[in-house]
Amino acid sequence: GAGVSQSPRYKVAKRGQDVALRCDPISGHVSLFWYQQALGQGPEFLTYFQNEAQLDKSGLPSDRFFAERPEGSVSTLKIQRTQQEDSAVYLCASSLGDSTEAFFGQGTRLTVV
Amino acid sequence: GESVGLHLPTLSVQEGDNSIINCAYSNSASDYFIWYKQESGKGPQFIIDIRSNMDKRQGQRVTVLLNKTVKHLSLQIAATQPGDSAVYFCAERFSGGYNKLIFGAGTRLAVHP
Repeated sequence: GAGVSQSPRYKVAKRGQDVALRCDPISGHVSLFWYQQALGQGPEFLTYFQNEAQLDKSGLPSDRFFAERPEGSVSTLKIQRTQQEDSAVYLCASSLGDSTEAFFGQGTRLTVV
Repeated sequence: GESVGLHLPTLSVQEGDNSIINCAYSNSASDYFIWYKQESGKGPQFIIDIRSNMDKRQGQRVTVLLNKTVKHLSLQIAATQPGDSAVYFCAERFSGGYNKLIFGAGTRLAVHP
């Protein structure tokens, strides 16, 4: 399909492991966002890319979180030394320029045990 | 899939009735206010937006009302259908012109036949 694709769909990590979550945005979408959604809550902004430039990373909770989008298309969110509080659904969204319509992927559910 | 909104306020309506979902926001500097629908196991889906200088906007079966005096936003769904059952989030868009969204707590809409 032509939607935002995220992988893996589910990830279980042992505390202290590093994880990498992938996002394939809609082709041609300049803007890409990562959000974190805890169970029963609304998504919380993590970071924003315009093409390959990371213009806003104010929502990243700690320096263990790192995101990249080297060629302006696929993005990876990396979490180092995972902690239990990192357990959440990680959502990726993309949009055309400054359009208000952001298209979200299904998310990656990360469980840290 | 994941359960979204386990402990959220729930609005129960009969199929065919109109639904009104309310939301309070806090940031007067937001340039847009947006409603998203999230079904279990899926990412949020854009429904409708309203620019901050407007007070009403209509879409297909949905109407959004914005009252800036009391910082209140509402979503009206006409002739509610079983497929409308989901968690609904209001979101404020950061005035920087990109989709850095601040989501509200969410309301679960349950439509009964």
